[in-house]
Amino acid sequence: GAVVSQHPSWVICKSGTSVKIECRSLDFQATTMFWYRQFPKQSLMLMATSNEGSKATYEQGVEKDKFLINHASLTLSTLTVTSAHPEDSSFYICSARDQGLSLRDEQYFGPGTRLTVT
Amino acid sequence: AQKITQTQPGMFVQEKEAVTLDCTYDTSDPSYGLFWYKQPSSGEMIFLIYQGSYDQQNATEGRYSLNFQKARKSANLVISASQLGDSAMYFCATLSYGGAQKLVFGQGTRLTINP
Repeated sequence: GAVVSQHPSWVICKSGTSVKIECRSLDFQATTMFWYRQFPKQSLMLMATSNEGSKATYEQGVEKDKFLINHASLTLSTLTVTSAHPEDSSFYICSARDQGLSLRDEQYFGPGTRLTVT
Repeated sequence: AQKITQTQPGMFVQEKEAVTLDCTYDTSDPSYGLFWYKQPSSGEMIFLIYQGSYDQQNATEGRYSLNFQKARKSANLVISASQLGDSAMYFCATLSYGGAQKLVFGQGTRLTINP
């Protein structure tokens, strides 16, 4: 089956620093990737849609200058949390859509990255 | 706009019993998909089952089945013969094929299987 990886799986950083999270589709090409944030005991909230070769589309209320998304290739999207603060501590999950194989536009999820900002 | 409602924050079930997790949805798009995901404590999202809006029959995948009632806009997940490993968070989600094609998730249900 389609596999999506994320790196790192967990990261601790100091307030004010930036953190980059990578999302890779390992065995398929993903023209579209999605970034979600999940706070403890809550649901997944879509942050942005990342399209290869173009600017990401951010959901309402998500600061695009704080959460930089780059989708430079068909297998890699990155999320950079700039000037991180403790309130950015969360579980970040990416997904990739494989439009080539599935008629149902299924998204394949990465294992997630747990970010803790101290 | 799409919306998913899961009204059961938590469910407790005895091992080997069947369990139904409720999900209702709202969408104006006639073409949509309904998904169920399992999220164990490790955090990974595990795809369980899919139902398309035009599918005539209810979807089944092993011990999972989806009770799709289109007129009532409900897509309940049924897990037969529950196992201890089924303890996890379960999310219902919908995707409209005519619109922005974004998955919208419900609030989730925490299922606990008791031995």
